[in-house]
Amino acid sequence: KAGVTQTPRYLIKTRGQQVTLSCSPISGHRSVSWYQQTPGQGLQFLFEYFSETQRNKGNFPGRFSGRQFSNSRSEMNVSTLELGDSALYLCASSWQGAERGYTFGSGTRLTVV
Amino acid sequence: SQKIEQNSEALNIQEGKTATLTCNYTNYSPAYLQWYRQDPGRGPVFLLLIRENEKEKRKERLKVTFDTTLKQSLFHITASQPADSATYLCAPIYNFNKFYFGSGTKLNVKP
Repeated sequence: KAGVTQTPRYLIKTRGQQVTLSCSPISGHRSVSWYQQTPGQGLQFLFEYFSETQRNKGNFPGRFSGRQFSNSRSEMNVSTLELGDSALYLCASSWQGAERGYTFGSGTRLTVV
Repeated sequence: SQKIEQNSEALNIQEGKTATLTCNYTNYSPAYLQWYRQDPGRGPVFLLLIRENEKEKRKERLKVTFDTTLKQSLFHITASQPADSATYLCAPIYNFNKFYFGSGTKLNVKP
């Protein structure tokens, strides 16, 4: 079966702009989580959605937001981009939660200049 | 807040030996603890999950232990191969599926 698909794979944006990243989970998976990965901070949890509802949220500013659609696809939005937002953004999906492990996509590499 | 500690120094071992990676956590014990493998430029890949009430879990050449008294999980790869070279991440899971990832330990298996 198809894995978790993230688009785009690479993105270059200017400081102050906004960006939307997309994630298509594995068919049947209802939980989608987003992570930011940087060399200095490692993998940081952004938020988790289940059945279109945000179930958990990490410690990121309000510039980071997300949503999940009825088909479980999810989008993440970052407004007023800062240089420090440059990172690999990873999406992970699972059937219901953590017990069976999460399947990660290959990520979107965002560079803010 | 929870703190997850993995050895930041790379672990270098010879092919055929057993690699042992450590994950320590602070404060209260997680309900589950997962281990992932990550290759450069790729997303993490799920390997194993161990529950709070389990002492040990095995899958092929992999073994995970969970000691809630020591607040520690150990991840072992027996008969290691160069293809096992990667960064290994531990991820304790607390209530309501909230994830924290360790910073990972890079394993180098030399032929």
